[in-house]
Amino acid sequence: KAGVTQTPRYLIKTRGQQVTLSCSPISGHRSVSWYQQTPGQGLQFLFEYFSETQRNKGNFPGRFSGRQFSNSRSEMNVSTLELGDSALYLCASSSLSGGSNTEAFFGQGTRLTVV
Amino acid sequence: GQQLNQSPQSMFIQEGEDVSMNCTSSSIFNTWLWYKQDPGEGPVLLIALYKAGELTSNGRLTAQFGITRKDSFLNISASIPSDVGIYFCAGQGAQKLVFGQGTRLTINP
Repeated sequence: KAGVTQTPRYLIKTRGQQVTLSCSPISGHRSVSWYQQTPGQGLQFLFEYFSETQRNKGNFPGRFSGRQFSNSRSEMNVSTLELGDSALYLCASSSLSGGSNTEAFFGQGTRLTVV
Repeated sequence: GQQLNQSPQSMFIQEGEDVSMNCTSSSIFNTWLWYKQDPGEGPVLLIALYKAGELTSNGRLTAQFGITRKDSFLNISASIPSDVGIYFCAGQGAQKLVFGQGTRLTINP
């Protein structure tokens, strides 16, 4: 069974631009979560999607958005990029058991550098 | 955002030594997870714990889910060079993970 696939692996963008990152979850997993990882803040939760609906959202500005498609693939978008958005963006997929997510499996991440 | 208290933040050990790290939380979790992350890669799941008091092993790794459901520890026995990396604990909420700050493990051969 293929793991979680994130594309692209690396991105360099200029301040003010926007970026879209993609995540394909493990086959059969319908929950996709996004996390931002920086040296200073560690792993921070962005949002979680299940069956094309955002179920939970972290404390990030509205410039960070996402969506999920009917095949469970997910994208996240960051608009008006700032230097502080430089980070490793991680996607995790889970299945559902008893109304809660099971253990999460992560992709390799997308390293975003804003210059 | 909310984080777990993970300690120690870093460890410098000799190859062959045992390692112990732990996480505590002010909140109760129904699932505790331990991940290892290599530079530039995503976290890889090592052990998942589902019941208070549960003790689970995965090779040289052993982890326990605290009775209070507010803590967990991870032990690594007889460390080897490939154990180098950052270890994260995570509490599984209904729809998101809450992570510890990580323990950076360095091994001197």
